[in-house]
Amino acid sequence: EDQVTQSPEALRLQEGESSSLNCSYTVSGLRGLFWYRQDPGKGPEFLFTLYSAGEEKEKERLKATLTKKESFLHITAPKPEDSATYLCAVSGSYNFNKFYFGSGTKLNVKP
Amino acid sequence: KAGVTQTPRYLIKTRGQQVTLSCSPISGHRSVSWYQQTPGQGLQFLFEYFSETQRNKGNFPGRFSGRQFSNSRSEMNVSTLELGDSALYLCASSLSGPNTEAFFGQGTRLTVV
Repeated sequence: EDQVTQSPEALRLQEGESSSLNCSYTVSGLRGLFWYRQDPGKGPEFLFTLYSAGEEKEKERLKATLTKKESFLHITAPKPEDSATYLCAVSGSYNFNKFYFGSGTKLNVKP
Repeated sequence: KAGVTQTPRYLIKTRGQQVTLSCSPISGHRSVSWYQQTPGQGLQFLFEYFSETQRNKGNFPGRFSGRQFSNSRSEMNVSTLELGDSALYLCASSLSGPNTEAFFGQGTRLTVV
């Protein structure tokens, strides 16, 4: 079955301290890998879609990359407002109408 | 443009009761997916509807059901509620399916007592 594993579970950074979140996936025929940000008590907010290995996308301090087995969400010089849970999800060729979500990485950026 | 709207935002129900949750997708979006989110299990896929047809279903018991109307609005029903059904229920809409960008609503927080 399609599977997504995110690490670390939690990450504490000082403001300005860059780091990366990891999303490892097993899927039959990747259709897309998606990154979301979720604030407490709210629905996930769409960040990026990556479709093929080698693809990269950027948005402000965030940059997502994709290989054949994993994706990284790089956070450059984070600010306290970047604190949230970051979720990764995949859809595959055999179950392309549903996402498999990872359990998320809870990021806490301290001023 | 207006986002995904879920109603109600909060619900408290008693074990054994049933509940119906509503989701209005972004205008023009024909796919609606439902998810259950709990601290222990994370986000789990319930089902997806496209043009009033259920295209895919997750591993949930038959007490969980849904439907989609011709205007793409969707409802989810849970019958014979159990304590373990307490969760945040999220709805997501997309143009053609979850393999494209899906946008989530704020969710309905269901508490079963």
